[in-house]
Amino acid sequence: DTEVTQTPKHLVMGMTNKKSLKCEQHMGHRAMYWYKQKAKKPPELMFVYSYEKLSINESVPSRFSPECPNSSLLNLHLHALQPEDSALYLCASSQGAQSLRPIYFGEGSWLTVV
Amino acid sequence: QKEVEQNSGPLSVPEGAIASLNCTYSDRGSQSFFWYRQYSGKSPELIMSIYSNGDKEDGRFTAQLNKASQYVSLLIRDSQPSDSATYLCAVIFSGTYKYIFGTGTRLKVLA
Repeated sequence: DTEVTQTPKHLVMGMTNKKSLKCEQHMGHRAMYWYKQKAKKPPELMFVYSYEKLSINESVPSRFSPECPNSSLLNLHLHALQPEDSALYLCASSQGAQSLRPIYFGEGSWLTVV
Repeated sequence: QKEVEQNSGPLSVPEGAIASLNCTYSDRGSQSFFWYRQYSGKSPELIMSIYSNGDKEDGRFTAQLNKASQYVSLLIRDSQPSDSATYLCAVIFSGTYKYIFGTGTRLKVLA
């Protein structure tokens, strides 16, 4: 069983909608991540939270807004997305943002923007 | 030179053979190396971590690290059709602690 859980598994939204992706980790980790993955490409880093503070924003458009309510929870708020934003969104966690240990992915949320 | 390079494949091997997947990286100071398996339509799953030169074995999987030559490899013994997936190499770069993925190698194990 994965210890990083993401909801929903699938989301279809219109370009004017507001929706959120949610992630919870049960590993006691202090760093959480959002990645975006397009078909046949590796995961692409979007945001990193370390000890509940945003530490890295990889120049992501403001239509994506992350939130970290506590060390176990991570949200990604979506607003006014474009069809090209359709992708697999992966939440991940690790012991620390500057740890040499691996990151662990959740099962992902498939997003389709219509 | 790309930061982490993998042959995209597909690498086709017959069932029962050894599959050999390779990865090279550009940062000589890197200390942490990982292999992920990703089935089509699923998320990446960590299968091996390696931090020291040499071999690390886990079941049918063996990771090999050579820091002097800046490459890391993954051997899958007795390959099964269920091993058919994309294998992603990841490296933590020194200084920045950035987690850099290769583009992945698609493995097909033929029954």
